[in-house]
Amino acid sequence: DQQVKQNSPSLSVQEGRISILNCDYTNSMFDYFLWYKKYPAEGPTFLISISSIKDKNEDGRFTVFLNKSAKHLSLHIVPSQPGDSAVYFCAASEGGNTPLVFGKGTRLSVIA
Amino acid sequence: SAVISQKPSRDICQRGTSLTIQCQVDSQVTMMFWYRQQPGQSLTLIATANQGSEATYESGFVIDKFPISRPNLTFSTLTVSNMSPEDSSIYLCSVATGLYGYTFGSGTRLTVV
Repeated sequence: DQQVKQNSPSLSVQEGRISILNCDYTNSMFDYFLWYKKYPAEGPTFLISISSIKDKNEDGRFTVFLNKSAKHLSLHIVPSQPGDSAVYFCAASEGGNTPLVFGKGTRLSVIA
Repeated sequence: SAVISQKPSRDICQRGTSLTIQCQVDSQVTMMFWYRQQPGQSLTLIATANQGSEATYESGFVIDKFPISRPNLTFSTLTVSNMSPEDSSIYLCSVATGLYGYTFGSGTRLTVV
């Protein structure tokens, strides 16, 4: 049973446009959500996170939106740059030293 | 946040052999987590290692195949035993720092031939 779902395995966006990556979850106990960027043969790189008490968190070009009622979150990258091309993982936590649960990832390709 | 040193970064191993992966953390942490990422797949939790007790394994993973040691609050090892080509993956350790912080090692890319 997949608790964190990223239904789009890949996304292609032109440079300068907005990239929107989506994530859905089923576990109501999740109260903290994170987005990671990952290159092959490297550990995940933390991008941005959001607590369940918020509906938006912004950090530079990255914004994460959380819709708790829909159990849905999204990562917006604007403007998209070729260096953003990577696999993006959505992850969720119940907090308090519990492990992260990851989605399957979305491969973002930003085309110059 | 914590810094993790994970070794080896990569290895090519013969089937039937074992490989031990080490993670050293620069601060004391209660929980350490071990993940596997098979080619093109997500990060899947193998087990949670708490110092002073047996590791807790997720469904589909067993101690005989993936024994874990956690001798102190800064160190853990994961052994991949009796390897087959299906074990070819990236293995990652992670720690929880504070209520919502997580740090990952740089990963071990294992190829079994």
